[in-house]
Amino acid sequence: AQRVTQPEKLLSVFKGAPVELKCNYSYSGSPELFWYVQYSRQRLQLLLRHISRESIKGFTADLNKGETSFHLKKPFAQEEDSAMYYCALSILTGGGNKLTFGTGTQLKVEL
Amino acid sequence: NAGVTQTPKFQVLKTGQSMTLQCAQDMNHNSMYWYRQDPGMGLRLIYYSASEGTTDKGEVPNGYNVSRLNKREFSLRLESAAPSQTSVYFCASGMIAFDQETQYFGPGTRLLVL
Repeated sequence: AQRVTQPEKLLSVFKGAPVELKCNYSYSGSPELFWYVQYSRQRLQLLLRHISRESIKGFTADLNKGETSFHLKKPFAQEEDSAMYYCALSILTGGGNKLTFGTGTQLKVEL
Repeated sequence: NAGVTQTPKFQVLKTGQSMTLQCAQDMNHNSMYWYRQDPGMGLRLIYYSASEGTTDKGEVPNGYNVSRLNKREFSLRLESAAPSQTSVYFCASGMIAFDQETQYFGPGTRLLVL
């Protein structure tokens, strides 16, 4: 069965420091991976997906199939990046798209 | 365009009571989903509906039922609430883009079962 692991419950960094949120997955097929973000008192929203190779709000994530990882990175953390981040693995079935989420990492950017 | 809406925002139930959580989307998406979010466990899929008229179990379906009333609405019912169902419930709908489905989430319903 598929699984997503986010080893850090809480990551605290200073403003301007680099950020790396770790995500590892296990899945026998070809993975489709996402990062979702939940700001305080807001709904969960898509941050980025691996297939589009985009950079959103300065964040990037590269799929490493050899290490089965999809770490989220940003070179310089900003205060507004403080939020809960979830890594998710997508499995397209005959009916719909089942997302398996990691347990999340709370990012706290300190001044 | 309201996106995904959920009612109620907050609810307190006593053990054994029943209730229905409502979800609606105005984005003409085919797929809809119900998740629960618990501390230290992330989001877990309860039920999903790939299209109007179909529903399937997710990872944690026990104690819940769902109804896909039409393309817009997908409700989650607790027939006999238990304290273990205290959680935050999120509804989502899905749209295909770049050959992938992106899910859009509602604001959540906080449920406390005493």
